[in-house]
Amino acid sequence: DGGITQSPKYLFRKEGQNVTLSCEQNLNHDAMYWYRQDPGQGLRLIYYSQIVNDFQKGDIAEGYSVSREKKESFPLTVTSAQKNPTAFYLCASTEDREYNYGYTFGSGTRLTVV
Amino acid sequence: AQSVTQLDSHVSVSEGTPVLLRCNYSSSYSPSLFWYVQHPNKGLQLLLKYTSAATLVKGINGFEAEFKKSETSFHLTKPSAHMSDAAEYFCVVSDTGFQKLVFGTGTRLLVSP
Repeated sequence: DGGITQSPKYLFRKEGQNVTLSCEQNLNHDAMYWYRQDPGQGLRLIYYSQIVNDFQKGDIAEGYSVSREKKESFPLTVTSAQKNPTAFYLCASTEDREYNYGYTFGSGTRLTVV
Repeated sequence: AQSVTQLDSHVSVSEGTPVLLRCNYSSSYSPSLFWYVQHPNKGLQLLLKYTSAATLVKGINGFEAEFKKSETSFHLTKPSAHMSDAAEYFCVVSDTGFQKLVFGTGTRLLVSP
């Protein structure tokens, strides 16, 4: 079955470390997204990519970086510059650039700073 | 800029009673509107979507929503709640001009026996 796979499900980061969250989709979708979810704040957009080798900053891009070298992959790196990285991270994709079909979401990665 | 306001952070119902989750939106363009559901520590699942066709939209699991342009609302309803409906629900707006989704802060639905 087609879908989005996020790994790992749980991730622990020490202070000052960079960590990378994986997002892979086999839906042949062009556009991919990373959202951060904090309690009571809904989802906030970190980065998005509409095509390979191109990506745009979202509302809260500081302290994060991404790459889009392949259509099916959109990894997110949480750098040491992100001062409060503990959150639930969701990856999503869509086939329709008009966004009328909605997004398909992965099952998320919970990142905790220890 | 587009925005979404979910009017209740928590809604509690008894099993078998109706569900109403309220959502108001603000959009400069003709919007697309969605409701998503999220169970604990899971990703989001699309319940239903409005894309300028019929104003009453039917979704999965017996949910439906009505687009009311005059009230800028897109409330989610279900005639009879089930225990499995307990989850967090997000109202979402998409403007084609902005090419991204904007999420409300969520409504947690609690269902008691």
